[in-house]
Amino acid sequence: NAGVTQTPKFQVLKTGQSMTLQCAQDMNHEYMSWYRQDPGMGLRLIHYSVGAGITDQGEVPNGYNVSRSTTEDFPLRLLSAAPSQTSVYFCASSYNRGGTEAFFGQGTRLTVV
Amino acid sequence: DAKTTQPPSMDCAEGRAANLPCNHSTISGNEYVYWYRQIHSQGPQYIIHGLKNNETNEMASLIITEDRKSSTLILPHATLRDTAVYYCIVRVGEGGSEKLVFGKGTKLTVNP
Repeated sequence: NAGVTQTPKFQVLKTGQSMTLQCAQDMNHEYMSWYRQDPGMGLRLIHYSVGAGITDQGEVPNGYNVSRSTTEDFPLRLLSAAPSQTSVYFCASSYNRGGTEAFFGQGTRLTVV
Repeated sequence: DAKTTQPPSMDCAEGRAANLPCNHSTISGNEYVYWYRQIHSQGPQYIIHGLKNNETNEMASLIITEDRKSSTLILPHATLRDTAVYYCIVRVGEGGSEKLVFGKGTKLTVNP
């Protein structure tokens, strides 16, 4: 059981480049989310999805785009990378019901130079 | 902003119980208390959650006060591998992974 898988684990981008962070889960979870974590801080929500075809913005959505065409996958796109997007990105998934634990991936460490 | 208050750091001796406090004085009746931990920048790991009653699982115990304004996570026999940042989170019962608001947590250091 793989759980939540994120790829790549590390990435270096130049300012202005675009890329997609991949997230896949094999638990048939309805909810999926993307968070970013900056040094010394807690996680902040970027975008989330409550099911295939449905997405919404979180606390810090600017500069990011998401789509959810399948239950399993929830990619995060950086449209034009900026140094301020240097961070560690975590994907999470869970069932859609109260009192439910969330499962997190191991993170993607992104550096924008 | 996170709706919880935790001490920034705590120390515990290996083999002893670690008691991590959390204040959530504005908690609503339908909000759960969750605990997650993050070991050395890995993805957060779920530990335990509760609504009103005390809870116990193979990892920890969660003690919630009767007025629900505070709680304590107990690691009964801390090991060096329990060194991590522990996050106390309150969230409404409905929904899923998007409802987690992370504060700065408590950095627990387990010493040999």
